[in-house]
Amino acid sequence: KAGVTQTPRYLIKTRGQQVTLSCSPISGHRSVSWYQQTPGQGLQFLFEYFSETQRNKGNFPGRFSGRQFSNSRSEMNVSTLELGDSALYLCASSSGQEVGYTFGSGTRLTVV
Amino acid sequence: EDQVTQSPEALRLQEGESSSLNCSYTVSGLRGLFWYRQDPGKGPEFLFTLYSAGEEKEKERLKATLTKKESFLHITAPKPEDSATYLCAVQGTGAGSYQLTFGKGTKLSVIP
Repeated sequence: KAGVTQTPRYLIKTRGQQVTLSCSPISGHRSVSWYQQTPGQGLQFLFEYFSETQRNKGNFPGRFSGRQFSNSRSEMNVSTLELGDSALYLCASSSGQEVGYTFGSGTRLTVV
Repeated sequence: EDQVTQSPEALRLQEGESSSLNCSYTVSGLRGLFWYRQDPGKGPEFLFTLYSAGEEKEKERLKATLTKKESFLHITAPKPEDSATYLCAVQGTGAGSYQLTFGKGTKLSVIP
């Protein structure tokens, strides 16, 4: 059974640019969540989607957005990148009926 | 607001020296408490889900226990390959029931 797949694995962007990250959940999983991980703040919740609807949003500025497609694949977008956006971005999926999430390996974003 | 505090931040053990990691939490109704293991540069790897006080789960050298305010991850006779960061997270039943709230983790180093 394939796990959660995130692409790309690494990204380097310049301040002010925008970036789109992709996540393919485990087959059959309809819930996708995104987290930001930094050394200082740890893992922080960004948002969660289920059947293309955002059910929860964390405390991040509007520059962070996401969407989910009908096949459950999800993308998150960060506009007007800042140096502080450098982090490991993790995607997690769940069936939506069971408790808990399976994480992908993440996308390491570096903003210079 | 759900909160999770993990201690210690870092722990060095000799191979074979057993110890415990602590996770204190506050949550408005507990759907589940999770333990994950994370290796550098990778996403969190699921270890255990605990649902109610008094519950215990074991996997190889690891045993997780749960009370109404704390969870412990007991590591018996650790080996160098157990070196990793161990993360605790809670999922509540309140407004944020579709998200995990993480502690900042305990970085475990097992010395041969």
